[in-house]
Amino acid sequence: DAGVTQSPTHLIKTRGQQVTLRCSPKSGHDTVSWYQQALGQGPQFIFQYYEEEERQRGNFPDRFSGHQFPNYSSELNVNALLLGDSALYLCASSLTSGGASFFNEQFFGPGTRLTVL
Amino acid sequence: AQSVAQPEDQVNVAEGNPLTVKCTYSVSGNPYLFWYVQYPNRGLQFLLKYITGDNLVKGSYGFEAEFNKSQTSFHLKKPSALVSDSALYFCAVRPAGSARQLTFGSGTQLTVLP
Repeated sequence: DAGVTQSPTHLIKTRGQQVTLRCSPKSGHDTVSWYQQALGQGPQFIFQYYEEEERQRGNFPDRFSGHQFPNYSSELNVNALLLGDSALYLCASSLTSGGASFFNEQFFGPGTRLTVL
Repeated sequence: AQSVAQPEDQVNVAEGNPLTVKCTYSVSGNPYLFWYVQYPNRGLQFLLKYITGDNLVKGSYGFEAEFNKSQTSFHLKKPSALVSDSALYFCAVRPAGSARQLTFGSGTQLTVLP
């Protein structure tokens, strides 16, 4: 049973560029959440996708956008990159259908390390 | 707004000794509480959760956590630490019965000395 996978593992971009990160959820999961983890800090919630729609959003600007596909995989897009966007981006999957979503734990992928120069 | 505080950036303990990693939280209503562990260059791994019921929750790898509502705390414990337990530990909270996202603490680096 494959866990949460993310690609790429590492990425280097320059300021002003755009980036797309990808995530495949754990088998059987239908909900994907994205987090940004800056160095020395805890993960910060970016947004969550369920049924191909953004269900919740954290305190991140519109430069951060996402998408969920019918197979539940997801993309995170960041436009007009800033130096401060350098971080580990974590994808987490969980199960919403069946009414158990509120207390189901999230399963995290290994992350994508984004460096903005 | 919900928040989590992990007051210790670093905890050092000798192998074989008990360990405690502290966490306090603030949330409207009842909390759902979680502990995750992060090894270098790895994602977060789930350790345990408190939803309701017994205040002492047992999780993976011999870890347990005690929910204390009056002190709004959820400290992580292990009776006998292993060198392999050395990692970064995160406490997280969300309001009970809510689909709101997890709020994480800033993390505590645990080092178990041989």
